[in-house]
Amino acid sequence: GAVVSQHPSRVICKSGTSVKIECRSLDFQATTMFWYRQFPKQSLMLMATSNEGSKATYEQGVEKDKFLINHASLTLSTLTVTSAHPEDSSFYICSARFLNTEAFFGQGTRLTVV
Amino acid sequence: DQQVKQNSPSLSVQEGRISILNCDYTNSMFDYFLWYKKYPAEGPTFLISISSIKDKNEDGRFTVFLNKSAKHLSLHIVPSQPGDSAVYFCAASPYQETGNQFYFGTGTSLTVIP
Repeated sequence: GAVVSQHPSRVICKSGTSVKIECRSLDFQATTMFWYRQFPKQSLMLMATSNEGSKATYEQGVEKDKFLINHASLTLSTLTVTSAHPEDSSFYICSARFLNTEAFFGQGTRLTVV
Repeated sequence: DQQVKQNSPSLSVQEGRISILNCDYTNSMFDYFLWYKKYPAEGPTFLISISSIKDKNEDGRFTVFLNKSAKHLSLHIVPSQPGDSAVYFCAASPYQETGNQFYFGTGTSLTVIP
């Protein structure tokens, strides 16, 4: 199947710093990319949807100034967690799809803010 | 409001037997459904999908059944293998809308006992 690469897989950062997570579609053009967050034993919660070249659409309750999403090309989207706090510690997952096909997921990023 | 529900948080099955994972949805606009498998600390991997024009889709050991009138779908795994032990998420989407998000259930943790 299609490959979506997410980097880094794990990151530990100090409170107040910013962290960037990359999501790349390696063998297809991702017209849409999604960013999810997963808390332990809970479902994947959609944070935002981004279409290439457009501003991301954020879900209710997600701070757009805190979670900056850039989808500058058809193969790359980035999520930057700005001024991270311990409550931002979570598992972040991206997914990518071409038009209406099924979405393929990255391997996820475990963020720990200390 | 949870539009996709997986009411069984966990399921244990003996190796070689059938595993049946269930999923219910509330939004009648959903017409594209998917199952994902997720190991701890990894992103979900796509398993199988079904569109609303079908009531069954089979791929190897995995079969998905859709009952539109009941707004219910199920994933059958037969025969179950220990490597199938993981968390399974069902997801739904209004297929016709390009780039539309997927709505996920809360997952069912499957344990296949050798």
